[in-house]
Amino acid sequence: DAGITQSPRYKITETGRQVTLMCHQTWSHSYMFWYRQDLGHGLRLIYYSAAADITDKGEVPDGYVVSRSKTENFPLTLESATRSQTSVYFCASSTAGPGYTEAFFGQGTRLTVV
Amino acid sequence: AQSVSQHNHHVILSEAASLELGCNYSYGGTVNLFWYVQYPGQHLQLLLKYFSGDPLVKGIKGFEAEFIKSKFSFNLRKPSVQWSDTAEYFCAVTPGLGFNNDMRFGAGTRLTVKP
Repeated sequence: DAGITQSPRYKITETGRQVTLMCHQTWSHSYMFWYRQDLGHGLRLIYYSAAADITDKGEVPDGYVVSRSKTENFPLTLESATRSQTSVYFCASSTAGPGYTEAFFGQGTRLTVV
Repeated sequence: AQSVSQHNHHVILSEAASLELGCNYSYGGTVNLFWYVQYPGQHLQLLLKYFSGDPLVKGIKGFEAEFIKSKFSFNLRKPSVQWSDTAEYFCAVTPGLGFNNDMRFGAGTRLTVKP
């Protein structure tokens, strides 16, 4: 099916472990984004990518790493998970920057760090 | 950088009541404004957006929003809500000119509509 999918939907991990959240889109959108959603903060941009092999930091990048070797995939890695990274993570894609056009969101990954 | 404030954390209405959700932003230049909705268990979807032109913007499902530049506001309205409007609503803003991949979201307003 066409769209944007995130995996896993739910993840529990231990402090200090590395964990990777996957994001895959089938539209060939140039832009992809990772947001985290926390109560009282709304969505905050972690990293974004304007095209394959082009990534840049957002508002809250510390503790996260991204890569984009293929247009359709944009994995987010927590190198050493901390409890403060417990959150719901949303991946999104768009044909241009989100200020120009609609961003399409995945269903989210709920990550719990214990 | 721009920021967004949503005044109401949780709004509870009865069906057929009118809705207005407040959104204010802080940014001195031209802005693009958005309202996204997240229904329970679903992903965010675009309700409506404002780039330029008529400050009264109509979106899907009977929603509309009015951009008031002098008040830095972009309030969302609906004349008569339905139970199916129960969701979380997010206002978002980006700079209107230039390279603007940094979309800032408000904290969200949870709307509960009682049948």
